[in-house]
Amino acid sequence: NAGVTQTPKFQVLKTGQSMTLQCAQDMNHNSMYWYRQDPGMGLRLIYYSASEGTTDKGEVPNGYNVSRLNKREFSLRLESAAPSQTSVYFCASRFNQETQYFGPGTRLLVL
Amino acid sequence: AQKITQTQPGMFVQEKEAVTLDCTYDTSDPSYGLFWYKQPSSGEMIFLIYQGSYDQQNATEGRYSLNFQKARKSANLVISASQLGDSAMYFCAMREGSGSWGKLQFGAGTQVVVTP
Repeated sequence: NAGVTQTPKFQVLKTGQSMTLQCAQDMNHNSMYWYRQDPGMGLRLIYYSASEGTTDKGEVPNGYNVSRLNKREFSLRLESAAPSQTSVYFCASRFNQETQYFGPGTRLLVL
Repeated sequence: AQKITQTQPGMFVQEKEAVTLDCTYDTSDPSYGLFWYKQPSSGEMIFLIYQGSYDQQNATEGRYSLNFQKARKSANLVISASQLGDSAMYFCAMREGSGSWGKLQFGAGTQVVVTP
């Protein structure tokens, strides 16, 4: 069991470039989440998917889009990257009311 | 408005001592869950402990216990017998409501440094 995996681990983008962050889980979890973590702050929810086929906005969705490709995979897309999107991005998944399990994170730098 | 408040930005603790990390929360929903996560310098988020709002007993997981005071809206994490490997950032988080699809709101975190 790999748990929650994320690719890439690191990425450097120029302003205006686009990219997709990939997330996959092998725990058969229904719900998946994307968070961002900025220096000195806790995680903030960008988007979530309560179940396969559904997605919804979180606290900070502007500048992002998501796709719940199937039950395993939930991707986050930056269409036109901005320096304000420099952050560490975490994907998480959850089966029941309780614990969310997090991936290792993607460090993104936008120049 | 800030839903989760962690007032201690950082603290030092000696090895083998106990440490209490403060967390207060704000919600009017009677159903909620409280979580603590550990983030070591390597960056991953590690789940430590969970407390449901209707749980009668304080949660415990090994050396971790959650001091849940519902009337005061506090959910402090107690780490007993600190070890050097406990040096990390600790985040308190809350899930509000049974229909929130598990969305978590995090505090700003407390940096713990365990010294020999």
